[in-house]
Amino acid sequence: QVHLVESGGGVVQPGRSLRLSCAASGFTFSSHAMHWVRQAPGKGLECVGVTSDDGGEKHYADSVKGRFTISRDNSKNTLYLQMNNLRSEDTAVYYCARDRGDGYNSIDNWGQGTLVTVSS
Amino acid sequence: DVVMTQSPLSLPVTLGQPASISCRSSQSLVHSDGNTYLIWFQQRPGQSPRRLIYRVSNRDSGVPDRFSGSGSDTDFTLRISGVEAEDAGVYYCMQGAHWPPTFGQGTKVEIK
Repeated sequence: QVHLVESGGGVVQPGRSLRLSCAASGFTFSSHAMHWVRQAPGKGLECVGVTSDDGGEKHYADSVKGRFTISRDNSKNTLYLQMNNLRSEDTAVYYCARDRGDGYNSIDNWGQGTLVTVSS
Repeated sequence: DVVMTQSPLSLPVTLGQPASISCRSSQSLVHSDGNTYLIWFQQRPGQSPRRLIYRVSNRDSGVPDRFSGSGSDTDFTLRISGVEAEDAGVYYCMQGAHWPPTFGQGTKVEIK
């Protein structure tokens, strides 16, 4: 079955960088767009960005545009989120999520998430 | 961005009784392809979200048939025909018709 495992979270100072990874298995990774979604502690869900199946098209939320970059390595079945110039408001659990591909932003399966804490 | 507004935000329910959650969008969720992209997720305590319903009313594989979705355009509803203990958690609607996808604030279902 679909399995997504995020890693790379931790505590980081404001202004620093962090790279998250998401290892995918149980499906043909290269055939699916992939999303990053975050959830601040005790808060709701916010889409960070999406990449097409081949990585050629990407879209970002305004809140992270210019600071975060999504990439993927289909040979390694891995999705990445490079986060630069981190701010306190970026503190959240970051989930990678699969796009089922049967419509627009058709998110179905989620990973377990990795916590990023931005604090001095 | 499209604003998704859920109500109520808290829903205490007696076991076996029905429950209903409303989700309204600030813009129509009918895409130019003719489909309506509205999803419902369930998030149990300490877990990641699980998709229950996609495109308004289509149940995902393995989702009990006590869950149903309905609605159109800007007004949508998730119904649970008879709440079970395992249904406790937070329910989110999400629109995928417009970038960026946006979520409702969440409705916490508590079992009385």
